[in-house]
Amino acid sequence: SQKIEQNSEALNIQEGKTATLTCNYTNYSPAYLQWYRQDPGRGPVFLLLIRENEKEKRKERLKVTFDTTLKQSLFHITASQPADSATYLCALGPGGGNKLTFGTGTQLKVEL
Amino acid sequence: DVKVTQSSRYLVKRTGEKVFLECVQDMDHENMFWYRQDPGLGLRLIYFSYDVKMKEKGDIPEGYSVSREKKERFSLILESASTNQTSMYLCASSYPSGHTDTQYFGPGTRLTVL
Repeated sequence: SQKIEQNSEALNIQEGKTATLTCNYTNYSPAYLQWYRQDPGRGPVFLLLIRENEKEKRKERLKVTFDTTLKQSLFHITASQPADSATYLCALGPGGGNKLTFGTGTQLKVEL
Repeated sequence: DVKVTQSSRYLVKRTGEKVFLECVQDMDHENMFWYRQDPGLGLRLIYFSYDVKMKEKGDIPEGYSVSREKKERFSLILESASTNQTSMYLCASSYPSGHTDTQYFGPGTRLTVL
């Protein structure tokens, strides 16, 4: 069955450092992958999308990589700030479909 | 900005009650989704709809039903609430396949079944 793995342990980093979150998947050939941010008690908010034929995507301090051979995406936040503290979810989308499959998310805490 | 609203932020119901959760989106999206989110289990799809009066089961439809009579509104119904349906319920909408399939979420309804 399809499986998406995100590190269930919280990631604690210092302000100013680069945070790197991992999303691994098995038994899946996604057409694209998305990253969402979720704050406590709120719905997820879309951040970035990367397609299967793209290696890297950037948006301001965010960078996403997608390696379909390793079946892995890395999500980087550079110059991290306390305001970046949240849970980050990856989601995989099929080609021709309209359903996303979400990972369980990784909680990021950026400390002063 | 896309806006997805849900009828209640917090809801407390008793076992056996019929529960209605309402979701409204204002961006003319064809697709609408209902998820529940539980610690350690992530977002799990209950039902989705790709058009008015159309619905498809997601991964965990048991104990739930849905209704979509108008394009902007998607309702989740718990026919007879049980304590194991205590959860955070999230509604989302998106453009149809062929676009980015980015989903826009509502704020969620935290349902407690006593």
